[in-house]
Parts: sequence; structure tokens; C-alpha cells
Amino acid sequence: GAGVSQSPRYKVAKRGQDVALRCDPISGHVSLFWYQQALGQGPEFLTYFQNEAQLDKSGLPSDRFFAERPEGSVSTLKIQRTQQEDSAVYLCASSLMAGNNYEQYFGPGTRLTVT
Amino acid sequence: GDSVTQMEGPVTLSEEAFLTINCTYTATGYPSLFWYVQYPGEGLQLLLKATKADDKGSNKGFEATYRKETTSFHLEKGSVQVSDSAVYFCALNSGGSNYKLTFGKGTLLTVNP
Repeated sequence: GAGVSQSPRYKVAKRGQDVALRCDPISGHVSLFWYQQALGQGPEFLTYFQNEAQLDKSGLPSDRFFAERPEGSVSTLKIQRTQQEDSAVYLCASSLMAGNNYEQYFGPGTRLTVT
Repeated sequence: GDSVTQMEGPVTLSEEAFLTINCTYTATGYPSLFWYVQYPGEGLQLLLKATKADDKGSNKGFEATYRKETTSFHLEKGSVQVSDSAVYFCALNSGGSNYKLTFGKGTLLTVNP
């Protein structure tokens, strides 16, 4: 079946522009995670949804970052007034439920470059 | 807070060589431990996991044992293949309410024929 998909795969934004990154999780997956992966680093947690509820946003680096999942399926990560330090790969992952017995399936990521 | 430290790369081996990638962690409570792999041009995939002390995770010839006394989860494979060339990430999950993953920086493995 279809895995986690993300769009766009690549995004170039000028500093100060707003961007929106989309994640389509595996159908029926309750849990959805966003991670940020800087060049040469491991992914770092940004935020977590259980259905439409955003239960943890402790990893969002600033109030310029905003995520939503209004109908409990597709999620959007929005970054306002982008800065060069926002350049990274943004990964989305979904799992059937929350818990260590449920694998997180990752999408291919969106590579954001802020110029 | 939680953290994962893994062996600096890159690691370059010849085919059929023995592989070890070291991973140690700091966490509250009793975390679950994971190894993820990222093949060139692909997304992260779960390679193996262990959810309690002394558990051994295994998959595709790779193994790792959860060692609570040394807070380690080293990845091993007895005979690597060219197709194992990838970036390997050690990760943990402390549970709680969201099961977010905390990753190490990754280790690039290149296997030459």
C-alpha cells in the first residue's frame, strides 16, 4: 500500500517568505510526527498529533513554526518569515497508534533551502 | 533530557567484513531502543528494535542487544554487503505520552566490493 508522502520534495524560499509543507500519512494512522533534520545531523522532534489533537509541540523552535492536522489525516507544517537557519529536511512520520509496538513510518522528507 | 551518542563516521569496510557501530544513550526511565537505516535516496526505515533490557533486536543479519548496565545498543553484522551502504541512526523513545524518537547524529557506512 501507499506509504507516507510529503510535498513538495524540494522547496527554495527567500528569507522572509512563508512556506507550507504537506504530509499525507498512511491511511488510518492515528499518530503523526514532524521532525527536522539539519545537514549531517539526526532528525529532531518538532511536534506530535494524535488524530486532530496536537498533544506535544515542545520541539517547535520558535513561534514562526505552526502545524495543524484539522481532520486527523493530512498535516501541514507552516513556517512564517523563513530564516536561513530553517534550512533543513523536514520529515513526517505516522504510526497506527502511539506506543513502542507501533512502528513509525517515515516519508521521504521535504528539503527546504532558505536563501 | 534524553540523548543518543553514536560512533562518528564515515565507516568504510570491504565486503564480508565485520561491522560494529557503537551507540550509547542517556534517558529517564526505561527507554525503548531502535536502529533506523537510510539508504541513498530513500526515507528512514526501521531496522530493528528492543524494548527492554537484555532484549536482542535482529533483522537482515544485523543485531543489537539492549545493555542497561552500560546504557548501550551497539549495532553489529557479521558479514556486510555492498547493499548495506547507508546511513545508520540509533534512536530511543522514553515513552510518556507521545513516543517521540530521539536520534543520534547518524553513521555513514560505505561497503566496497
